[in-house]
Amino acid sequence: KNEVEQSPQNLTAQEGEFITINCSYSVGISALHWLQQHPGGGIVSLFMLSSGKKKHGRLIATINIQEKHSSLHITASHPRDSAVYICASPQGAQKLVFGQGTRLTINP
Amino acid sequence: KAGVTQTPRYLIKTRGQQVTLSCSPISGHRSVSWYQQTPGQGLQFLFEYFSETQRNKGNFPGRFSGRQFSNSRSEMNVSTLELGDSALYLCASSPDRDYGYTFGSGTRLTVV
Repeated sequence: KNEVEQSPQNLTAQEGEFITINCSYSVGISALHWLQQHPGGGIVSLFMLSSGKKKHGRLIATINIQEKHSSLHITASHPRDSAVYICASPQGAQKLVFGQGTRLTINP
Repeated sequence: KAGVTQTPRYLIKTRGQQVTLSCSPISGHRSVSWYQQTPGQGLQFLFEYFSETQRNKGNFPGRFSGRQFSNSRSEMNVSTLELGDSALYLCASSPDRDYGYTFGSGTRLTVV
């Protein structure tokens, strides 16, 4: 069983919809990362959070340490948000363990 | 401020050859970590260097090695290439642990 599980694996929505991607991890962590990968491969680090909630523009990330669960929300989704979203948990010194990714497609 | 630079962007090699990939971190970042991404296995941690020392290593065979120079630039080397080594190789830099990562655009390696 993967130590970091994401759901859903694929998500298709219409422009403007509210999007939620979930991430569950099985071991204790110091922080959880949310990453965005566009076609072509480049990865952008969206958030690193260890408690509570962080917001950047239309993106919101929350984490519940007790439940070992994090969510990434996108408000007023736009086709340019189409990408693969990946959560990652540090396991030991700088060793990131990644979820399998959620492929998000936003249709105009 | 320059980002993380990986060279080359694309590479085609033949089975049995060796390859060296380069990663230049953001200025001031002393930690560089390497990852392999394949369609079947997703993203997997290769190793991490800090101040020229390998701090952590993933579950990859000894054909995969790396090093870090005094200017924090890092290289990874894969010897005796196999078809299964075809992947996107990403590096990321950070000031130190507990900080966020900045990823490079990756090197796409194809082994034929």
